[in-house]
Amino acid sequence: NAGVMQNPRHLVRRRGQEARLRCSPMKGHSHVYWYRQLPEEGLKFMVYLQKENIIDESGMPKERFSAEFPKEGPSILRIQQVVRGDSAAYFCASSRGVNTEAFFGQGTRLTVV
Amino acid sequence: DAKTTQPPSMDCAEGRAANLPCNHSTISGNEYVYWYRQIHSQGPQYIIHGLKNNETNEMASLIITEDRKSSTLILPHATLRDTAVYYCIVRVVNKGGNQFYFGTGTSLTVIP
Repeated sequence: NAGVMQNPRHLVRRRGQEARLRCSPMKGHSHVYWYRQLPEEGLKFMVYLQKENIIDESGMPKERFSAEFPKEGPSILRIQQVVRGDSAAYFCASSRGVNTEAFFGQGTRLTVV
Repeated sequence: DAKTTQPPSMDCAEGRAANLPCNHSTISGNEYVYWYRQIHSQGPQYIIHGLKNNETNEMASLIITEDRKSSTLILPHATLRDTAVYYCIVRVVNKGGNQFYFGTGTSLTVIP
């Protein structure tokens, strides 16, 4: 049973471009969470999705950021018109249910130049 | 939004037990305590979780006080590979959501 898969592992974008980060949850997991970690800081919750539905996006910036988890395929975190401040590690986690443990992927390190 | 308090750093001698404390005095009755660790810049690794009773698995033991206002993670025989930042998390379950809010964690250094 493969773990949570995130790709790409490293992504470089110029200011103004779009970044798409993909997350394939573990088999049988229908709950997906996205977190952002700035250098030397802790993980900040961004969004929680449950198959095709956004349950909680209280941690998402109001503009330029969006997330989806379609019926088929991976969850996507999309950042439009990236700025240098978006440079960070983005981690995805998945869980089977509400009160079960969540497992994290190895993250995507986004660098905006 | 973190609901936990942890010491910022701790040292532990290799081979000894590492006891990592966590205060969660505002925890609600249906909220679980989870522990994760992050080694260097890797993805957080699940360690253990519990509600009321003490829990043990192959990695660690979790001791939760009777009033549930604090807990301790015990690594019975710390190795150098246990050097990491350890996060104590109270999982908030509301409106169908169940987010993990990470605080600043405890940076554990295992010393040879």
